[in-house]
Amino acid sequence: KAGVTQTPRYLIKTRGQQVTLSCSPISGHRSVSWYQQTPGQGLQFLFEYFSETQRNKGNFPGRFSGRQFSNSRSEMNVSTLELGDSALYLCASSLVDRGLGTEAFFGQGTRLTVV
Amino acid sequence: GENVEQHPSTLSVQEGDSAVIKCTYSDSASNYFPWYKQELGKRPQLIIDIRSNVGEKKDQRIAVTLNKTAKHFSLHITETQPEDSAVYFCAASRKAAGNKLTFGGGTRVLVKP
Repeated sequence: KAGVTQTPRYLIKTRGQQVTLSCSPISGHRSVSWYQQTPGQGLQFLFEYFSETQRNKGNFPGRFSGRQFSNSRSEMNVSTLELGDSALYLCASSLVDRGLGTEAFFGQGTRLTVV
Repeated sequence: GENVEQHPSTLSVQEGDSAVIKCTYSDSASNYFPWYKQELGKRPQLIIDIRSNVGEKKDQRIAVTLNKTAKHFSLHITETQPEDSAVYFCAASRKAAGNKLTFGGGTRVLVKP
């Protein structure tokens, strides 16, 4: 069974540009969550998509957005990039949560560097 | 919102000794507590998890305990080995929050041979 796949693995962008990251979840997983990982702030939740709908959102500015397609693949977009957006962006896929918690499987991440 | 604090931030142990990492959470509605291990340059991977209806869970050299009253949970690694060196993250989630995980700040564990 293929794991969670994120593309691209590395990105270098200039301040002010926008970027789109992609995540393909494990087959059968309908929930996709995105996290930002930085040395200073640790792992922070961005948002979760389930059945093409945003189900949860973290405390990030509106420049961060996402979407999910009918095949459960997800993309996240960051507009007007700032230096502080430099981070490892991790995607995690999960089975449907039945209220008791379920394992999140992480992708390898996309390392974004804003210069 | 939920807040998870994790201690210590770094932990150095001799091979064969035990390691203990502690986390506290703020939301009494949290009911799922996973622990992830992240090796350098790799993705976080689940090593053990516990749900609020259980007080303790063991898997070979790894155990987790949960105290709902005090709102804290701990990871115990016995007979540590060099391959246990990594960053460990605790996390918490609540039933109404879907699959959203709130993570602790991480503990860098170094096992010295």
